[in-house]
Amino acid sequence: AQSVTQPDIHITVSEGASLELRCNYSYGATPYLFWYVQSPGQGLQLLLKYFSGDTLVQGIKGFEAEFKRSQSSFNLRKPSVHWSDAAEYFCAALNSGGSNYKLTFGKGTLLTVNP
Amino acid sequence: DTGVSQDPRHKITKRGQNVTFRCDPISEHNRLYWYRQTLGQGPEFLTYFQNEAQLEKSRLLSDRFSAERPKGSFSTLEIQRTEQGDSAMYLCASSRLVGGSYNEQFFGPGTRLTVL
Repeated sequence: AQSVTQPDIHITVSEGASLELRCNYSYGATPYLFWYVQSPGQGLQLLLKYFSGDTLVQGIKGFEAEFKRSQSSFNLRKPSVHWSDAAEYFCAALNSGGSNYKLTFGKGTLLTVNP
Repeated sequence: DTGVSQDPRHKITKRGQNVTFRCDPISEHNRLYWYRQTLGQGPEFLTYFQNEAQLEKSRLLSDRFSAERPKGSFSTLEIQRTEQGDSAMYLCASSRLVGGSYNEQFFGPGTRLTVL
């Protein structure tokens, strides 16, 4: 079955520190990959996406992610975290072939930023 | 784009009551999706429409749930005889064909349902 795994339920970092959120996927073929951010009580905002090509993708708010086919991973990074980055982060995948209607999400990683 | 909008943003109801939510997609987006998100979980796919046709329904969508998109624009999601387990955030998303693929979904703010 297709699945997305985010191994870390909760991460705490200090403001200004670097951040890496992990994501692994299990799909028959390489899917399209996404990172979304959700603030409390809000909908999902797309941070970045990977379809093909360059394996390092840049997103909004200074985030980047690296696709590694050999590890079936798509980890999200930020060099210096700001207090406003505190939120929940979701990795998601979409079939790259037919039947590409259903996003499969991980369970999310809650980010806390200490001053 | 004005974005995906959902109404209401919050709904509190008593067990056994019926509720209906509305989603207005981004104009010219011909695909519309419904997801459900329970506390501490990622969103889970419920159903989607291409224009007015409902093309797929998850097994999560019990017979108490019904979704419509009568004119291929806005959509409604109705839950009949609500149960406490229906308490969740209901998210709507829309997408359009780009480069031969529907590969990016834009989400609305969600409707938070609480069943007492």
